[in-house]
Amino acid sequence: AQSVSQHNHHVILSEAASLELGCNYSYGGTVNLFWYVQYPGQHLQLLLKYFSGDPLVKGIKGFEAEFIKSKFSFNLRKPSVQWSDTAEYFCAVKGAAGNKLTFGGGTRVLVKP
Amino acid sequence: GAGVSQSPRYKVAKRGQDVALRCDPISGHVSLFWYQQALGQGPEFLTYFQNEAQLDKSGLPSDRFFAERPEGSVSTLKIQRTQQEDSAVYLCASTRQRVTPWAEAFFGQGTRLTVV
Repeated sequence: AQSVSQHNHHVILSEAASLELGCNYSYGGTVNLFWYVQYPGQHLQLLLKYFSGDPLVKGIKGFEAEFIKSKFSFNLRKPSVQWSDTAEYFCAVKGAAGNKLTFGGGTRVLVKP
Repeated sequence: GAGVSQSPRYKVAKRGQDVALRCDPISGHVSLFWYQQALGQGPEFLTYFQNEAQLDKSGLPSDRFFAERPEGSVSTLKIQRTQQEDSAVYLCASTRQRVTPWAEAFFGQGTRLTVV
């Protein structure tokens, strides 16, 4: 069975600080990896996704993530956060032939102005 | 519609009551998913439809949970004899095409169910 682990439950940082959120997964085959974001009061939205090719993936709003196969990791980064990045972030994995997403527990990020 | 719509947004049920949660996917989307998100946790898969066919219901936690999508568009998740442990946010998601690894899932805002 596949599983996803997000290392931090809560992160607090100031505007302009750099952000890195850890994500590790457990799955025996080819995986497809996702980061979703949920802003306060809104629905889950896709930030970025990885299927194949360049392991460094760029998404919306200046976010990027790096797939490191040897470490089973897919960490999310943003060089300089803004107050509007305050949200909950979810890492998710889907098997190559799969349909359903398996989510991590989420990381709540609070950016102080 | 513009997005996935779920109703009601909030539901309070007395223990033992039956509830029905509705999902209107994006028009024309073939695949529809239900997820359960307990407080402080990530969403967990419940069930999946392709058109009107329920192809995977492996995540339904008990036989009190039942989902249907009779005409391949609107879906209803029904929970019978609700228990306190059923309290959670129930999320619906849809994808435009049949399931492929790269298909982007669009989520609704969810229904927050509280069983008292």
